[in-house]
Amino acid sequence: AQKITQTQPGMFVQEKEAVTLDCTYDTSDPSYGLFWYKQPSSGEMIFLIYQGSYDQQNATEGRYSLNFQKARKSANLVISASQLGDSAMYFCAMIPGGSQGNLIFGKGTKLSVKP
Amino acid sequence: GAGVSQSPSNKVTEKGKDVELRCDPISGHTALYWYRQSLGQGLEFLIYFQGNSAPDKSGLPSDRFSAERTGGSVSTLTIQRTQQEDSAVYLCASSTMVGVNEKLFFGSGTQLSVL
Repeated sequence: AQKITQTQPGMFVQEKEAVTLDCTYDTSDPSYGLFWYKQPSSGEMIFLIYQGSYDQQNATEGRYSLNFQKARKSANLVISASQLGDSAMYFCAMIPGGSQGNLIFGKGTKLSVKP
Repeated sequence: GAGVSQSPSNKVTEKGKDVELRCDPISGHTALYWYRQSLGQGLEFLIYFQGNSAPDKSGLPSDRFSAERTGGSVSTLTIQRTQQEDSAVYLCASSTMVGVNEKLFFGSGTQLSVL
């Protein structure tokens, strides 16, 4: 079954510190895409970072990096130098190769940044 | 427009009434998706349109739910005879095309409350 698992319902991090949000996935397709989205209290889903299954390098976008461990089927998001504005829900998602582009989402992790 | 636009932003209705939710995707995006997000949960796929192809309706929870996309642009999600369990945020997303690396752009959603 194709599935995304996020085991941390909530996380706290001190401002300016780094934090890792966990994500594991399950698919039998050799080709897939992995995504992280941020959902602040306003409700909009904001794209953060993408990792393709065939990408050799871990993806980075500014303060966001994706720790991609293919053999373990994990795609953890690392946020460096946390800011108060990073407080939000974070969703890991996957597009399996056999799908029509539909994103499969995890249940999310609520990140709270403390001043 | 600059982003995906959804209307209304909030809708309160009585049980048994029909509702229509509207989504205006980013200009030029051929793929359009509807998702549902219940309180504290991840996103649940409902339906997906790609160009002139038949929509993928595999995620619709019951035959009370339907959607159409006119002229390959604006989409309307209709819920007939609403039930209290239909209360959720309905999110629309669009992308340029279909593929494992296609980033979805989301609207701010419609908060539906069924009394």
